[in-house]
Amino acid sequence: EVQLVESGGGLVQPGESLRLSCAASGFTFSSYEMNWVRQAPGKGLEWVSYIPTGGGSIYYADSVRGRFTISRDNARNSLYLQMNSLRAEDTAVYYCARLGDCTDGVCHNYMDVWGKGTTVTVSS
Amino acid sequence: DIQVTQSPSSLSASVGDRVTITCRASQTISNYFNWYQQKSGKAPKLLIYAASSLQSGVPSRFSGSGSGTDFTLTISSLQPEDFATYYCQQSYGTPWTFGQGTKVEIK
Repeated sequence: EVQLVESGGGLVQPGESLRLSCAASGFTFSSYEMNWVRQAPGKGLEWVSYIPTGGGSIYYADSVRGRFTISRDNARNSLYLQMNSLRAEDTAVYYCARLGDCTDGVCHNYMDVWGKGTTVTVSS
Repeated sequence: DIQVTQSPSSLSASVGDRVTITCRASQTISNYFNWYQQKSGKAPKLLIYAASSLQSGVPSRFSGSGSGTDFTLTISSLQPEDFATYYCQQSYGTPWTFGQGTKVEIK
């Protein structure tokens, strides 16, 4: 079964750090580009960050650039999000999501597999 | 950044109704457009990708159309399990952006 399982969420104070993990199983993790997407309480979805399969450009939302770092360990089938200088507005459920396959060489960048999410609360 | 405007923000419908949700992108994006369903407390689920391609395992009552700037999700005959929030998303350029969501409620 294709599966993504996030972990590492919790309650932290403003300015503190947290590292989220996403464990992948049931597919060849190293062959897929990955993302983090978050959802603040009662709000919509916000894309956070993208990482390619190996080398290549990493992208971030403006709201987290310079504070968050996405990384992956293909040997461990794992995706990570290092979150520093956390703010109250970073409070959200964080999902990892797989980017789906390209078709006939065209990549439509859709997120076809999602984890259940891990909750991050930033509060004093 | 490409903005995505989704409407309506909510709707009430009955089982069996035909439901249409629309999204508009702030610039032309070809067919780099996707639709997701999210039930309360659950992760989003991909319904439609590339504007009109049905994701494997998704019932055929769901369909997507559009290209350029205007896109539509249609549920041909609403079923009890379809009551949820639906999000559209442009995947043409980062930052990938989502619509504000449409909550489909029981009339």
